[in-house]
Amino acid sequence: QKEVEQNSGPLSVPEGAIASLNCTYSDRGSQSFFWYRQYSGKSPELIMSIYSNGDKEDGRFTAQLNKASQYVSLLIRDSQPSDSATYLCAVFALSNFGNEKLTFGTGTRLTIIP
Amino acid sequence: DTAVSQTPKYLVTQMGNDKSIKCEQNLGHDTMYWYKQDSKKFLKIMFSYNNKELIINETVPNRFSPKSPDKAHLNLHINSLELGDSAVYFCASSPDRETEQYFGPGTRLTVT
Repeated sequence: QKEVEQNSGPLSVPEGAIASLNCTYSDRGSQSFFWYRQYSGKSPELIMSIYSNGDKEDGRFTAQLNKASQYVSLLIRDSQPSDSATYLCAVFALSNFGNEKLTFGTGTRLTIIP
Repeated sequence: DTAVSQTPKYLVTQMGNDKSIKCEQNLGHDTMYWYKQDSKKFLKIMFSYNNKELIINETVPNRFSPKSPDKAHLNLHINSLELGDSAVYFCASSPDRETEQYFGPGTRLTVT
């Protein structure tokens, strides 16, 4: 089982609609969760972090965390063409050095259709 | 500008050569990382240093050797380059070990 799983997409959403991105993780002890956005040819950019169960809102973005279900999601309201990118879910998991390492999913490619 | 910077941005070289990539951060962070993003866009950690101490060393061939001269710099030296080393290499930094990470612009390595 992959440590962090995402639907690779592509996910197409009309402009102005809500885009919903999902992620599941395998390490039940994980405590820190992040969403990164990566435009083609660019580096990952941190857009949200969440540490507690429930919702966390930042502008048009809402991260949702359910540790019991090992599930984290990202909602993008009023989607804009500039939101078209690959979204990477990242979770801290134990490394082979005994420290925590940030483990990324394979990413979901989101396309906003004007 | 405060940022994570990497040099070079592009690196084209032949099999068997040795090359280095440099990374610097002026964010005052304690922890730095090297990631590899392959052609399928999967981003995987290679190494991490915290205050110049190696804290993560994933299953990476020992042709790859990181070096951190101080906590603001982390370099990556690669010996005997192979075709499979072609990828984008990202440097990142974070305030501490298990906090949010900020990425540099990446170095696209092409081995021919």
